[in-house]
Amino acid sequence: ETGVTQSPTHLIKTRGQQVTLRCSSQSGHNTVSWYQQALGQGPQFIFQYYREEENGRGNFPPRFSGLQFPNYSSELNVNALELDDSALYLCASSLEGGGAYNEQFFGPGTRLTVL
Amino acid sequence: SQQGEEDPQALSIQEGENATMNCSYKTSINNLQWYRQNSGRGLVHLILIRSNEREKHSGRLRVTLDTSKKSSSLLITASRAADTASYFCATDAGAQKLVFGQGTRLTINP
Repeated sequence: ETGVTQSPTHLIKTRGQQVTLRCSSQSGHNTVSWYQQALGQGPQFIFQYYREEENGRGNFPPRFSGLQFPNYSSELNVNALELDDSALYLCASSLEGGGAYNEQFFGPGTRLTVL
Repeated sequence: SQQGEEDPQALSIQEGENATMNCSYKTSINNLQWYRQNSGRGLVHLILIRSNEREKHSGRLRVTLDTSKKSSSLLITASRAADTASYFCATDAGAQKLVFGQGTRLTINP
């Protein structure tokens, strides 16, 4: 157990809808990263939040957005859902926004299905 | 896009045998990490090796890193049924993100 929690566990939406996924980071961690993992693939970096500011972004369109709160928990919002957004969404917490020893601790993920 | 390439994509061995997985990457890195994932659930961090290290051990795990060849290997000795999972390498190039490979699916047969 990493101490990172995510909710909900599973979610089914239809195309065009909006979704919000939530993540609580491990105690003491001030950095949260979000990853998308399509079936049979490795995780792909969406973005990272450090002390409530976006701190790096991967190759995802602007309809993927996020927030980090003062308690370092985080949300991932996806607007105008597309079928290809169906995936496992993972959040990971870490200390100090990256650096040479960026060990990240992952939550169990949210499985999103878009119909 | 994914930087790491794991090899093989799938590996099936008998319990008690050793399992070796390889990872290649493309750019300079600060460190390389190996993760395990059971049945599409969350990732479990196994081991981190820094760019100035060549070999690291943790229990039954042995990781090597060759920065001149941009490659790493993960050896699991004396495999157990509980080791059945997908294994991913992830590189940290200092850009606030981990770049994962596509993983190796390891099956340990009793």
